Amino acid sequence: EAQVTQNPRYLITVTGKKLTVTCSQNMNHEYMSWYRQDPGLGLRQIYYSMNVEVTDKGDVPEGYKVSRKEKRNFPLILESPSPNQTSLYFCASSRTGTPFEAFFGQGTRLTVV
Amino acid sequence: TQLLEQSPQFLSIQEGENLTVYCNSSSVFSSLQWYRQEPGEGPVLLVTVVTGGEVKKLKRLTFQFGDARKDSSLHITAAQPGDTGLYLCAGARASGTYKYIFGTGTRLKVLA
Repeated sequence: EAQVTQNPRYLITVTGKKLTVTCSQNMNHEYMSWYRQDPGLGLRQIYYSMNVEVTDKGDVPEGYKVSRKEKRNFPLILESPSPNQTSLYFCASSRTGTPFEAFFGQGTRLTVV
Repeated sequence: TQLLEQSPQFLSIQEGENLTVYCNSSSVFSSLQWYRQEPGEGPVLLVTVVTGGEVKKLKRLTFQFGDARKDSSLHITAAQPGDTGLYLCAGARASGTYKYIFGTGTRLKVLA
């Protein structure tokens, strides 16, 4: 079954404690991306990757890191989480080229206290 | 700057009514997608429109891409409670960037 898998689904952590949210896709997609979704602000892109070892900033990259060492994996790293990073996070993948159609993971609800 | 503006933001209607959701931009898009998102889940792709003026139908849902490829609309005929959800338009700008952006969203509630 074609899918994007995120882990964990729920995470509560304390300010400053490094964490990683994993994302894996089994569709051999070149493009992967992370979004955060906040009430009233919609889905905002954090980082995206066009292919292995190629990453670029989205609209809200501050406080986040990513890496793309393998095509299927695109982890999101919060080196020193802060309460304003409390949000619902989604990983997505897609083929490159037109049309651009994203497949999403089920989301990770992160709370930073 | 939000490049894709959706209207209305919220819509609460009775079962059987018709509705239209709009997605507007000042930028040209190579294609636009529409997604529906259920609470606690990721967005799920409904349709892609590629050609200016294109109309696509998915059962009671009709999607249209503007002639200039800057806007799109979603029309639902005879809405049902199962249509309840958050509707999102999204696209990658035709300029070649792969920043894939989402609209502000329309939260639809259909009452039985």
